[in-house]
Amino acid sequence: EDQVTQSPEALRLQEGESSSLNCSYTVSGLRGLFWYRQDPGKGPEFLFTLYSAGEEKEKERLKATLTKKESFLHITAPKPEDSATYLCAVQGIRNYQLIWGAGTKLIIKP
Amino acid sequence: DARVTQTPRHKVTEMGQEVTMRCQPILGHNTVFWYRQTMMQGLELLAYFRNRAPLDDSGMPKDRFSAEMPDATLATLKIQPSEPRDSAVYFCASGPTSGGFQETQYFGPGTRLLVL
Repeated sequence: EDQVTQSPEALRLQEGESSSLNCSYTVSGLRGLFWYRQDPGKGPEFLFTLYSAGEEKEKERLKATLTKKESFLHITAPKPEDSATYLCAVQGIRNYQLIWGAGTKLIIKP
Repeated sequence: DARVTQTPRHKVTEMGQEVTMRCQPILGHNTVFWYRQTMMQGLELLAYFRNRAPLDDSGMPKDRFSAEMPDATLATLKIQPSEPRDSAVYFCASGPTSGGFQETQYFGPGTRLLVL
């Protein structure tokens, strides 16, 4: 069964304190792994798509990496405006659907 | 800046009333998804349309929910009759397909529904 697990559930960091969020997945043939950011009261906002193990993508203070079993979202020197819930989802080659993780709530304190 | 739009943004209604939510997908996207998000369940897929045809609505309670796409610029989700357990945020997302595969989904701002 296709499955996505995100950890930790919540993460509190001081401004400037770098860390990583984890997305572990099980899927029958990975088509793509997606990272989204969701702010309170808003819809998920697309960040990255990763397609194959070893691939990396960066955007400002965020860097996403992918292995055959998991993806990491590294956040470098975060700022309070990076506070949000980060969602991970995978798509298998046999299905159009995205299988979603429960998300990691990131709080960056000034 | 193309965006998915949803109306209404907020809806408070009484149990038993009909609720209609509307979505305008991004022009050129041929797939539309309806999701429901709650604290307990996270994001749940309710329905999926490709080229306006409903391909999957297995996530919807069939007795009270219905989804349609009367034209390429409008998707609707109806609940009749509504129940308190339907209280949630309902998101519409649209995306293109490429080579038969679904590409990135882009989400609207959501409709926050409260059924009293």
